[in-house]
Amino acid sequence: KQEVTQIPAALSVPEGENLVLNCSFTDSAIYNLQWFRQDPGKGLTSLLLIQSSQREQTSGRLNASLDKSSGRSTLYIAASQPGDSATYLCAALNGANNLFFGTGTRLTVIP
Amino acid sequence: DGGITQSPKYLFRKEGQNVTLSCEQNLNHDAMYWYRQDPGQGLRLIYYSQIVNDFQKGDIAEGYSVSREKKESFPLTVTSAQKNPTAFYLCASSIFGSQEQETQYFGPGTRLLVL
Repeated sequence: KQEVTQIPAALSVPEGENLVLNCSFTDSAIYNLQWFRQDPGKGLTSLLLIQSSQREQTSGRLNASLDKSSGRSTLYIAASQPGDSATYLCAALNGANNLFFGTGTRLTVIP
Repeated sequence: DGGITQSPKYLFRKEGQNVTLSCEQNLNHDAMYWYRQDPGQGLRLIYYSQIVNDFQKGDIAEGYSVSREKKESFPLTVTSAQKNPTAFYLCASSIFGSQEQETQYFGPGTRLLVL
């Protein structure tokens, strides 16, 4: 069964720093890898989706990469802002259309 | 204004009581999902449905039931058989439920508490 791990569990950075969030998965037979943002007590918002044939996706200050062979994905956030403070979740989609989630990284950007 | 709505925002359950969480979407999506989120754990799939009148169990279906009588609605019932129902419940939908490039869209969630 797919297991998804995210490190670190929590991260605090000063405003303006660039940062990297890590995600690893045990089964490389994935259809896509997705990154979501969750604000406290709220639902999830999709940030980026990387298909299995792709290596990276970019949206504004966010860049996500995927290395299927090593079972890793990273989310790079450039020039962090206090509004980026949230929990970031990665999820891997398998062929049975099941989405397996990591436990998330809670990011705090300090003004 | 398209999206997914969940109600209520907070729900209280007494011992031995069944409660139903509502999920409605006006995105014309075929697939709908229910997840449970507990502190320190990732989201876990309870049930999903890819078409009206059909649904499949996820990893933690015991103590839960669903129905899919209409494309836009996917209610979740937490039965008295679910011994630890306190959690944050999230409903999601996606266009077809089998596409490599599609993502899931999430509702705002319902927090269930046991009295």
